[in-house]
Amino acid sequence: EAQVTQNPRYLITVTGKKLTVTCSQNMNHEYMSWYRQDPGLGLRQIYYSMNVEVTDKGDVPEGYKVSRKEKRNFPLILESPSPNQTSLYFCASSLNYRAWGSSPLHFGNGTRLTVT
Amino acid sequence: DAKTTQPTSMDCAEGRAANLPCNHSTISGNEYVYWYRQIHSQGPQYIIHGLKNNETNEMASLIITEDRKSSTLILPHATLRDTAVYYCIVRVNRDTGNQFYFGTGTSLTVIP
Repeated sequence: EAQVTQNPRYLITVTGKKLTVTCSQNMNHEYMSWYRQDPGLGLRQIYYSMNVEVTDKGDVPEGYKVSRKEKRNFPLILESPSPNQTSLYFCASSLNYRAWGSSPLHFGNGTRLTVT
Repeated sequence: DAKTTQPTSMDCAEGRAANLPCNHSTISGNEYVYWYRQIHSQGPQYIIHGLKNNETNEMASLIITEDRKSSTLILPHATLRDTAVYYCIVRVNRDTGNQFYFGTGTSLTVIP
């Protein structure tokens, strides 16, 4: 089944303890992206990647890192989490950033992160 | 960058058509309009997209005005399971790639 898989679904951690949220897709998509969702703010893009070894900042990249060493995986890294990073996170992928009209985003089921 | 404006919330009677409007007055000529919905806190689900022409699929219809400054998503026969937050998104094309800009969406409640 074609899907985007995020892990873990729920994570509670403490301030400053490094963590990684994994994201994997099995659709051979070139484009991958991370969003965070907060009440009243909708979904905001953190980072995106157009292909392997190509990443760029979205609207709210501060406090986050990403890597794209292989096409299927796009982990989100919080080196020193803070309480303002408590949020619902979504990973998404799309076939090809050049295929403007034929490649919608496919979303994972989300990771709810709480930083105390 | 193109952004979208949607009403915060709407109600629709079950079995009736739900018409969800979206304004995207700063959209550029090659930017697509996408619609997604999100049920509870699940991952957003793709519904439909278009550039200039009206589009229809098994889920919905998309009506785009001739000047492309606004669009309307139509759910022809709304059911209780269509209660969700609906996002109208413009896919912005840049030399460095592209981004999907989500707003805060419209919370649609289908009433029995």
